[in-house]
Amino acid sequence: DVKVTQSSRYLVKRTGEKVFLECVQDMDHENMFWYRQDPGLGLRLIYFSYDVKMKEKGDIPEGYSVSREKKERFSLILESASTNQTSMYLCASKRTGSYEQYFGPGTRLTVT
Amino acid sequence: AQKITQTQPGMFVQEKEAVTLDCTYDTSDPSYGLFWYKQPSSGEMIFLIYQGSYDQQNATEGRYSLNFQKARKSANLVISASQLGDSAMYFCAMSPLPGAGSYQLTFGKGTKLSVIP
Repeated sequence: DVKVTQSSRYLVKRTGEKVFLECVQDMDHENMFWYRQDPGLGLRLIYFSYDVKMKEKGDIPEGYSVSREKKERFSLILESASTNQTSMYLCASKRTGSYEQYFGPGTRLTVT
Repeated sequence: AQKITQTQPGMFVQEKEAVTLDCTYDTSDPSYGLFWYKQPSSGEMIFLIYQGSYDQQNATEGRYSLNFQKARKSANLVISASQLGDSAMYFCAMSPLPGAGSYQLTFGKGTKLSVIP
């Protein structure tokens, strides 16, 4: 089974802190994605990566950056957390040539 | 640009009855894929079913079927014989070229389904 894991299920941070959200997949997928989910808005893509050290902006990249130094790991970075970044963050991975994205369990981030 | 519209914020269905969750889409891409995901209260996104735009037959996966009407740009999910465990958020999504490259999914806002015993 494909497994996508995220470093924390729940996280509480203070405004202005630097926040790292980690995502690891164990199926050698080339493509990885970070989404945020807010009530009434569905899932919105923040960034995605189609190869190591490659990244592309999604629909809402402002205030975020990403890092992909190894194929299995994709990190989302909030350089200076703000209260409007309080949200559920979901990571996903996908093999090139297939259609299904596999999601991690999500990290519910609260910024106070 | 792609857009997914789910017009039903919430739905109720009696256990063992069938239910249809609506999804309409808009895209200028000549080929695309349509997806449904289930999200229980625990938070994980569970893939349910996929339909390619050139597939002649509607997709089915167990109790799930996708009613694909290309001319109407609709991709409704039908759940037969609802079970209490079907209570969850359901998201319709699409991608421009199914399976190709890293193309991301565009999601609708979701429909919350509640199954009544």
